Amino acid sequence: QSALTQPRSVSGSPGQSVTISCTGTSSDVGTYNYVSWYQQHPGKAPKLVIYDVNQRPSGVPDRFSGSKSGNTASLTISGLQAEDEADYYCCSYAGNFVIFGGGTEVTVL
Amino acid sequence: QVQLQESGPGLVKPSQTLSLTCTVSGGSISGGGYYWSWVRQHPGKGLEWIGYIYHSGSTHYNSSLKSLLTISIDTSENQFSLKLNSVTAADTAVYYCARAVSGATLYFDLWGRGTQVTVSS
Repeated sequence: QSALTQPRSVSGSPGQSVTISCTGTSSDVGTYNYVSWYQQHPGKAPKLVIYDVNQRPSGVPDRFSGSKSGNTASLTISGLQAEDEADYYCCSYAGNFVIFGGGTEVTVL
Repeated sequence: QVQLQESGPGLVKPSQTLSLTCTVSGGSISGGGYYWSWVRQHPGKGLEWIGYIYHSGSTHYNSSLKSLLTISIDTSENQFSLKLNSVTAADTAVYYCARAVSGATLYFDLWGRGTQVTVSS
């Protein structure tokens, strides 16, 4: 049960777009459309921003979007804003267990 | 609205048992459609799924912790609990309880605020 692979950090200027990748295997991301993404600000609990690959919970801005191709899922933040600076974690169901990614720090320049 | 709150000792001695409880308010833990879950975060590190329990008592655990772990549920108190035996310094982390939506999906839609647990003599 190795962690899903995410880049350690990504950055962008306000208004730009950033994309975070999340690479798993054919046993998790590649098989199940149960990929979710969480935003975590320092000292706070994680917050759900995307579920089922590309579904946005109520209240999450539409600048957050998700997609998947093969064993890799992606989170895109369009029109980057200062409050988007946080850590982001992907997560996948893998058949009676759950795997998180190692996390990506998003910096707004 | 439904809220989750962790409680338990913030300091545990090595080799002892870490026990935490998550109290669910604003909704019943007895209804189906959710897995009641524990997730931890080591200092400066990422999230690690510990395990979850269904209202029926059915459990699923992280295989790396399975031999030391028990997750239980008390529907009369609207709580679920975690017990981790024989802890070491490597178990020092922030522990979160969370609600996982299940049934043709799996994602964590609600989280507690987290509780810091330090393993030290």
